[in-house]
Amino acid sequence: KAGVTQTPRYLIKTRGQQVTLSCSPISGHRSVSWYQQTPGQGLQFLFEYFSETQRNKGNFPGRFSGRQFSNSRSEMNVSTLELGDSALYLCASGLAGVPNTQYFGPGTRLTVL
Amino acid sequence: GIQVEQSPPDLILQEGANSTLRCNFSDSVNNLQWFHQNPWGQLINLFYIPSGTKQNGRLSATTVATERYSLLYISSSQTTDSGVYFCAVEGRGGSEKLVFGKGTKLTVNP
Repeated sequence: KAGVTQTPRYLIKTRGQQVTLSCSPISGHRSVSWYQQTPGQGLQFLFEYFSETQRNKGNFPGRFSGRQFSNSRSEMNVSTLELGDSALYLCASGLAGVPNTQYFGPGTRLTVL
Repeated sequence: GIQVEQSPPDLILQEGANSTLRCNFSDSVNNLQWFHQNPWGQLINLFYIPSGTKQNGRLSATTVATERYSLLYISSSQTTDSGVYFCAVEGRGGSEKLVFGKGTKLTVNP
């Protein structure tokens, strides 16, 4: 079974631009979560989607948004990019059952100049 | 919210040595996972272990849920074991979100 895939793997943007990242979960997984990893803050939860509905949201500004499609693929969008948004963005998928094991993709490394 | 503390923050070993990494958490959990982050940033699942003991080759893990800690054991370490090890938990509230510790950076020297 294919793992979680994320595109693009690397991205360079300038301040003020917006960016969209994509995540395809493991086949059959309906839960998709997004995390941001920075050297200063570590790994932080952004949001979680299940069956096209956002179920949980972390403590991030409204510039960070996401959505999930009927095939469980998910996108996250960051508008008006700031230098501090430079990070590794990781997507995880899960069955949302028991056991609720989360499987992570390779990440998208975003650099904001 | 739930707090996760990992120790030690850094660990340097010679190849062949054994090590124990610890994860303390502040509340009851539905989910506890150990991950190894490779040099390219991907988090590799090691164990799903909200309670009990599991083993996978040279790695094993034990979670004592009643005392709110988990241990990851690495035996006969190899240079390829180097990297950052994270413990992550999901609280009993069923939020489906993982709260991560700050990680243990392991360096295995040849």
